[in-house]
Amino acid sequence: GAGVSQTPSNKVTEKGKYVELRCDPISGHTALYWYRQSLGQGPEFLIYFQGTGAADDSGLPNDRFFAVRPEGSVSTLKIQRTERGDSAVYLCASSSLDQETQYFGPGTRLLVL
Amino acid sequence: AQSVAQPEDQVNVAEGNPLTVKCTYSVSGNPYLFWYVQYPNRGLQFLLKYITGDNLVKGSYGFEAEFNKSQTSFHLKKPSALVSDSALYFCAVRGTYGGSQGNLIFGKGTKLSVKP
Repeated sequence: GAGVSQTPSNKVTEKGKYVELRCDPISGHTALYWYRQSLGQGPEFLIYFQGTGAADDSGLPNDRFFAVRPEGSVSTLKIQRTERGDSAVYLCASSSLDQETQYFGPGTRLLVL
Repeated sequence: AQSVAQPEDQVNVAEGNPLTVKCTYSVSGNPYLFWYVQYPNRGLQFLLKYITGDNLVKGSYGFEAEFNKSQTSFHLKKPSALVSDSALYFCAVRGTYGGSQGNLIFGKGTKLSVKP
């Protein structure tokens, strides 16, 4: 079956602009996660959803970052007033109800100029 | 605080030789442990996991890992390395109670280079 998909694959924006990153999880997976991976580092947790609600958003770095999952499937990560330090690969993952294994998408590479 | 350490930035192995990529962890409660592999410009691919049971777990592509509770380690191993195994390997842990029940905590990654 289809894996986790993320769009766009690459996004270039200017400092101060607003961006949206989309994640389409594996069909039937109730849990969805967002991570950020900076160059040379492991992924760092941002937020995770169980269904429509954010179960843990403790990894969001500040209030410029926000994520939604209104129907319990597709999720959008929103970044306001982007800064150069936001440049990274944003990874999405999903898992089934038991949350044992997270399956990752290919990521969105964000570059803020 | 929960954490994962991968003490080697890079591991070099000759094709056909055994390989080990090291991982140690610190987590509250019983750990769920994972290994993922990342090829250039690709997402993370799941290799294997330890949840409970046998300390030696087998995964994709001939990889295996051994959970050692006393040493808080979960080293990744393969008896005979292939050039195609060259990639970035990440160890990750998930706690099993409290606020850590959802997210994975990753190590910094170890670059595996297998030479012919």
